[in-house]
Amino acid sequence: AQSVTQLGSHVSVSEGALVLLRCNYSSSVPPYLFWYVQYPNQGLQLLLKYTTGATLVKGINGFEAEFKKSETSFHLTKPSAHMSDAAEYFCAVKGSNYKLTFGKGTLLTVNP
Amino acid sequence: DGGITQSPKYLFRKEGQNVTLSCEQNLNHDAMYWYRQDPGQGLRLIYYSQIVNDFQKGDIAEGYSVSREKKESFPLTVTSAQKNPTAFYLCASSIGTEARQPQHFGDGTRLSIL
Repeated sequence: AQSVTQLGSHVSVSEGALVLLRCNYSSSVPPYLFWYVQYPNQGLQLLLKYTTGATLVKGINGFEAEFKKSETSFHLTKPSAHMSDAAEYFCAVKGSNYKLTFGKGTLLTVNP
Repeated sequence: DGGITQSPKYLFRKEGQNVTLSCEQNLNHDAMYWYRQDPGQGLRLIYYSQIVNDFQKGDIAEGYSVSREKKESFPLTVTSAQKNPTAFYLCASSIGTEARQPQHFGDGTRLSIL
């Protein structure tokens, strides 16, 4: 079985500030981890993914995430928030097969 | 450009009516999926298909049906048995069902009850 917990359903930051969205997972096998972004009334867009290899993963739009096995975490960060980053972000985990399990999402608000 | 097309973008259902949501992909992906999204609930898997003429139930299949007659198409029917159909429905596809393969999503269909 696998699960994802996103800490904080709503995160608010100022433009130019650090963005940190938290994700913890559980998986009985080595996980594959994904972050998706969703803008209002749109589908999900893949930001980045961890499969194997380097634990620091860089994605689109300046986002990156670090896989920490000891902490079962895969937090998403961006050094400087932009107004266009305002959206909902979903962390997701796969174990050994097709099944993609999503967290409940974190809504990011960016204040001018 | 390759991608996933969902139609219509908005759909309204009357009581006792079946409605069908369209999902077409030109990515040449073998696997396709349907998810339901409710506010604050994340995404929940309704059905998935690994190859043509084969599909499997996901976590919340009751009240829904699918078909996979063509590789590029995976329509979802919301039947009258689904008592709470109001939600945002997302179709996705992936090259295969191996764990490392990411899923790519369409822009969704929002279904409401009249």
